[in-house]
Amino acid sequence: EAGVVQSPRYKIIEKKQPVAFWCNPISGHNTLYWYLQNLGQGPELLIRYENEEAVDDSQLPKDRFSAERLKGVDSTLKIQPAELGDSAVYLCASSHGTQATDTQYFGPGTRLTVL
Amino acid sequence: QKEVEQNSGPLSVPEGAIASLNCTYSDRVSQSFFWYRQYSGKSPELIMSIYSNGDKEDGRFTAQLNKASQYVSLLIRDSQPSDSATYLCAVNGNDYKLSFGAGTTVTVRA
Repeated sequence: EAGVVQSPRYKIIEKKQPVAFWCNPISGHNTLYWYLQNLGQGPELLIRYENEEAVDDSQLPKDRFSAERLKGVDSTLKIQPAELGDSAVYLCASSHGTQATDTQYFGPGTRLTVL
Repeated sequence: QKEVEQNSGPLSVPEGAIASLNCTYSDRVSQSFFWYRQYSGKSPELIMSIYSNGDKEDGRFTAQLNKASQYVSLLIRDSQPSDSATYLCAVNGNDYKLSFGAGTTVTVRA
């Protein structure tokens, strides 16, 4: 079974530039998550999707961040414009269902560096 | 908002010893508890999940949960150099939001 796929793996941009990250979840997983992980910290949830619906985006900085999950499969996370403080690893995860006991499986992440 | 605290590291243990990792959480209604392993530069990988009070064993790993004390731990027996990684404690509750601790870095000395 293929895991969660993310691209690109690395991205270096200058501040104020836009950037987009793409995620393909495990086949059959209805729930998709975007996390941000800073160095030396655990992942922090940005947004959770159940199929096409963003059911929790309370931690997403909506002035510059946006996300979509068209057709309830792939998802894209965008930052526009990027700031120096956005440098981090952006992780995508998926789970089969929406129960608290459902395991979340993580992709390899995209390491963003904003210069 | 759930707070998840892990014992500060790094934790250095000799090969073959037991590594003990601790985690406390603030939200009493938390239902599910997970331990993830994260190698440097890699993504988190699930190694254990536990939902009920008591112990759960899987190979060399044992997770222990005490909901009354809001405490979950992970024991790694017969530690191997390949166990050297950062271990993340994660807690999930009725809000389906997985909250992570900052992690404890374990180094197994050969």
